Amino acid sequence: NAGVTQTPKFQVLKTGQSMTLQCAQDMNHEYMSWYRQDPGMGLRLIHYSVGAGITDQGEVPNGYNVSRSTTEDFPLRLLSAAPSQTSVYFCASSYSSGRGNTEAFFGQGTRLTVV
Amino acid sequence: KQEVTQIPAALSVPEGENLVLNCSFTDSAIYNLQWFRQDPGKGLTSLLLIQSSQREQTSGRLNASLDKSSGRSTLYIAASQPGDSATYLCAPRGQAGTALIFGKGTTLSVSS
Repeated sequence: NAGVTQTPKFQVLKTGQSMTLQCAQDMNHEYMSWYRQDPGMGLRLIHYSVGAGITDQGEVPNGYNVSRSTTEDFPLRLLSAAPSQTSVYFCASSYSSGRGNTEAFFGQGTRLTVV
Repeated sequence: KQEVTQIPAALSVPEGENLVLNCSFTDSAIYNLQWFRQDPGKGLTSLLLIQSSQREQTSGRLNASLDKSSGRSTLYIAASQPGDSATYLCAPRGQAGTALIFGKGTTLSVSS
């Protein structure tokens, strides 16, 4: 059971480049989310999804795009990378609140540097 | 908007001490609350999940309590060990949505 898998683990981008951070889970969880973690700021929610075809914005969505075409995958797209997007990105998944046990599981993170 | 505060921000103790980490949240209408551990450069590992109807949850040397009405949760670590050194994060989940809201964590250092 792989849990939540994020790729790549490390990435360096130039300002203005675009890229996609991948997140996949094999637990059949409806709910998936993306966070960024910055020193002194804690984890902040970027986007989340309550099921295939349904996404919504979190606290810091600007500059990021998401889609959810399958239950398993929830990619995060950086449209035009900026140095302010240098951060560690975490993907999480859980069952939705209607399923009772909503324990969240996190991936190992993607460390992104924008130069 | 839910705000989560964790006190203290950092804690250093000798091995063997019992310790308490505090978490407070401003909106008491939560669905559940989860405690995580994060080692440097790593992801988050789930420690305990407390449902809003529960008062306590235990796993090994860890015990988490929840007082929803006062907006508080505590994580009790018994007989601390150097391997417990990490950052501990609490995250309540709101009723209206399903997002976890995080505090900034307590960084624990246990010396041998």
